Amino acid sequence: GQNIDQPTEMTATEGAIVQINCTYQTSGFNGLFWYQQHAGEAPTFLSYNVLDGLEEKGRFSSFLSRSKGYSYLLLKELQMKDSASYLCARRDPPNSGYALNFGKGTSLLVTP
Amino acid sequence: ETGVTQTPRHLVMGMTNKKSLKCEQHLGHNAMYWYKQSAKKPLELMFVYSLEERVENNSVPSRFSPECPNSSHLFLHLHTLQPEDSALYLCASSQDSLAGANTGELFFGEGSRLTVL
Repeated sequence: GQNIDQPTEMTATEGAIVQINCTYQTSGFNGLFWYQQHAGEAPTFLSYNVLDGLEEKGRFSSFLSRSKGYSYLLLKELQMKDSASYLCARRDPPNSGYALNFGKGTSLLVTP
Repeated sequence: ETGVTQTPRHLVMGMTNKKSLKCEQHLGHNAMYWYKQSAKKPLELMFVYSLEERVENNSVPSRFSPECPNSSHLFLHLHTLQPEDSALYLCASSQDSLAGANTGELFFGEGSRLTVL
């Protein structure tokens, strides 16, 4: 998916903080999204960044550096229900219908 | 009904069958998408419709044929599929405009799990 790279798997402990990194191809960049997908369910929207900096939304925050082609998703106070796949996605330029191109996803396992 | 609904949720078909996947969105969006999700692979964009016009076709084999009769409905017609086409097919919709506070996020349906024998 357009050179969108993220780790395949991560493990963290309940109550801890985890950071999931994502790098992407910078040409034609039009926004960066993070989605959460539990097994057997639809992906659900978590966050959106189009300008550099940190966007905070409750326990979840997302950071973007456009010049570096880099984003991360930060999950605080981890709960067991946070075990899921986290998908980084880059939006195409408008002439491609605003579609999202996804990375392979990072499978996060939260342990007691 | 709210959100994006897909039917059927599960489908098993032989390689010579013809079947269709249906997607309906109740969000008032003007863009709809088909994605394919296979194990160990990224979500693959198949088709994009914006204002009922196809704007993207990512080199998808002709055995997959999309149809968008109006802004609320999207179909994926399947014909003479191969076993490697077995996957989860996800439909999504979005508001194809970045005016105001709209982020253009995609809203996904639960998917149709397809098995080709």
